[in-house]
Amino acid sequence: AQTVTQSQPEMSVQEAETVTLSCTYDTSESDYYLFWYKQPPSRQMILVIRQEAYKQQNATENRFSVNFQKAAKSFSLKISDSQLGDAAMYFCASNAYGNKLVFGAGTILRVKS
Amino acid sequence: KAGVTQTPRYLIKTRGQQVTLSCSPISGHRSVSWYQQTPGQGLQFLFEYFSETQRNKGNFPGRFSGRQFSNSRSEMNVSTLELGDSALYLCASSDDQERTEAFFGQGTRLTVV
Repeated sequence: AQTVTQSQPEMSVQEAETVTLSCTYDTSESDYYLFWYKQPPSRQMILVIRQEAYKQQNATENRFSVNFQKAAKSFSLKISDSQLGDAAMYFCASNAYGNKLVFGAGTILRVKS
Repeated sequence: KAGVTQTPRYLIKTRGQQVTLSCSPISGHRSVSWYQQTPGQGLQFLFEYFSETQRNKGNFPGRFSGRQFSNSRSEMNVSTLELGDSALYLCASSDDQERTEAFFGQGTRLTVV
């Protein structure tokens, strides 16, 4: 069975600073995808970034990047130049079977101005 | 392209009743997945439908059922509602490929009283 663990219930960052959200996962599959989703107060889940497990290069999307450590089964999200609009709940998720996503418990990110 | 549409947005039902939630995926997407989100259990996978067939199923009782129509629209039904069924129900659509990005709707907030 797949499991995804987010050990930080809540994080705070000053506007324009950098913050890293942690995620570890466990799977017996060799072919899987990892995702970070953002859920603002509107409750709409928005994909932030995706990483294919077979790719060694860390994914990057503008101010968002990941540190994917396959051997350690770690998948952290780095947000650079944090903005007020980044404040949300962030979920780490993995997908090894069809389109079934397994989510972590989430990390609330607060951005201070 | 229009996004994923879930109706209704809010619903209040009485314990013992049944409820049907609807999800219209992005045009061209044939995979529809359903998730339950609660403060206590987080985000949990209910089931996935692909081309009118259930492809994956989570660990929920038989009171939770779903179906998909030929136009890929999906419905989720919960019978004999319990107070613990109060949750945000999220629908996600994906294209034909497995393990690709899931696009989420805004959810249906179900309250059971």
